[in-house]
Amino acid sequence: DIVMTQSPDSLAVSLGERATINCRSSLSVLDNSNNKNHLAWYQQRPGQPPKLLIHWASTRESGVPDRFTGSGSGTDFTLIISSLQAEDAAVYYCQQYYSFPRTFGQGTEVAIK
Amino acid sequence: EVQLVETGGGLLQPGGSLRLSCAASGFTFRSYGMNWVRQAPGKGLEWVSYISSDTNTIRYADSVQGRFTISRDNAKNSLFLQMNSLRGEDTAVYFCVRSVGAIDCWGQGTLVTVSS
Repeated sequence: DIVMTQSPDSLAVSLGERATINCRSSLSVLDNSNNKNHLAWYQQRPGQPPKLLIHWASTRESGVPDRFTGSGSGTDFTLIISSLQAEDAAVYYCQQYYSFPRTFGQGTEVAIK
Repeated sequence: EVQLVETGGGLLQPGGSLRLSCAASGFTFRSYGMNWVRQAPGKGLEWVSYISSDTNTIRYADSVQGRFTISRDNAKNSLFLQMNSLRGEDTAVYFCVRSVGAIDCWGQGTLVTVSS
């Protein structure tokens, strides 16, 4: 199984500041046949189901604000929220869909400082 | 509007069985792979099972293999999860989700509580 490890577990960021979340996979999730990383990022606000933010490691889902940026390749990935807004307070998960079983990171809680 | 609505959750004793259903609408259900993902209270996300659009590919997490069965009825736009031999650690909100690789649509979830 591919183990997904996020860091940090939590962080507090002031409004307008940058938040950076890291995700590492125990095996590469890069598909060499199409050069795509099978890595997604989700946001889960309290009491809500998760919402897809980023897929293929760096492709923003339709309607997602451009302050959310995904990057990385192979085994190391990053989600950056460039200018934190109040509505961004949530738990963020990375997930690999390269192989079964699908696996998620443990989550990173982003709070407003 | 794409919608996934789960039903069938509830409180039951260890060793019991339960069948979850998911009604899909707003998209061509028969064209998409579907999954169940669960979240224990206060915990993270755990993928449970996947079924391809044509039912030819089915996968399970090790934690539920042999106890849970995923199925679908494309004529009725419905996804199911038959859960047998339930344990306390199966207590969670169960989400019906659509996947196109990544999971691009989530239901609101249904709570399953296994307790004596």
